[in-house]
Amino acid sequence: DIQMTQSPSTLSASVGDTITITCRASQSVNKWLAWYQQKPGKAPNLLIFEASTLQSGVPSRFSGSGSGTEFTLTISSLQPDDFATYYCQQYHSYSPLTFGGGTKVEIK
Amino acid sequence: QLQLQESGPGLVKPSETLSLTCAVSGDSISSSISYWGWIRQPPGKGLEWIGNILYSGTTYYNPSLKSEVTMSVDTSRNQFSLRLSSVTAADTAVYFCARGFWRGYSFWYFDLWGRGTLVTVSS
Repeated sequence: DIQMTQSPSTLSASVGDTITITCRASQSVNKWLAWYQQKPGKAPNLLIFEASTLQSGVPSRFSGSGSGTEFTLTISSLQPDDFATYYCQQYHSYSPLTFGGGTKVEIK
Repeated sequence: QLQLQESGPGLVKPSETLSLTCAVSGDSISSSISYWGWIRQPPGKGLEWIGNILYSGTTYYNPSLKSEVTMSVDTSRNQFSLRLSSVTAADTAVYFCARGFWRGYSFWYFDLWGRGTLVTVSS
């Protein structure tokens, strides 16, 4: 299995901050990485695929970068609606598809 | 606009079989770019992929669940289903159905999700 490790597990920030979440893979996943946002009681929402491609309708303050084993999700000028939990997912291997453990972004 | 909706019992007894259906509306389930998936999330925990199925019936399962999981597709009803046998309390989770999108290379990310349904395993 490809293990996905996110850091930090919790991040405290203020509106207007720029934050970065890291996702590391236990082996190379090339660029086959997606990022999701999940709010309490809701389904995850796709933000980014192929490591850096913004899904249609997602605000441009979200950006992704990386390849191989290290990836980052950056949110510029954090908005109140952005306080949520974020997950990465690799789709380089389907045996199995794997998600990171999540990063909760909370209000400082 | 493509939508997915899970349905099924919210309570299942230990050792019995969990059965869920996901109804797809707004588009045909018979798409070569759509690999329909199930993902679950235990209360307060992260996401676990269960498996994906193509409209042809080809399945891809998480090896850790493979012996208990069966997925099927009904193209006439535009829906797909999950069966998880011999459940225990550890299978208590919110179960999401989702579309796994295939761009022609590698595997799938999930671009559309159902709202999820909580299934509790308890006697």
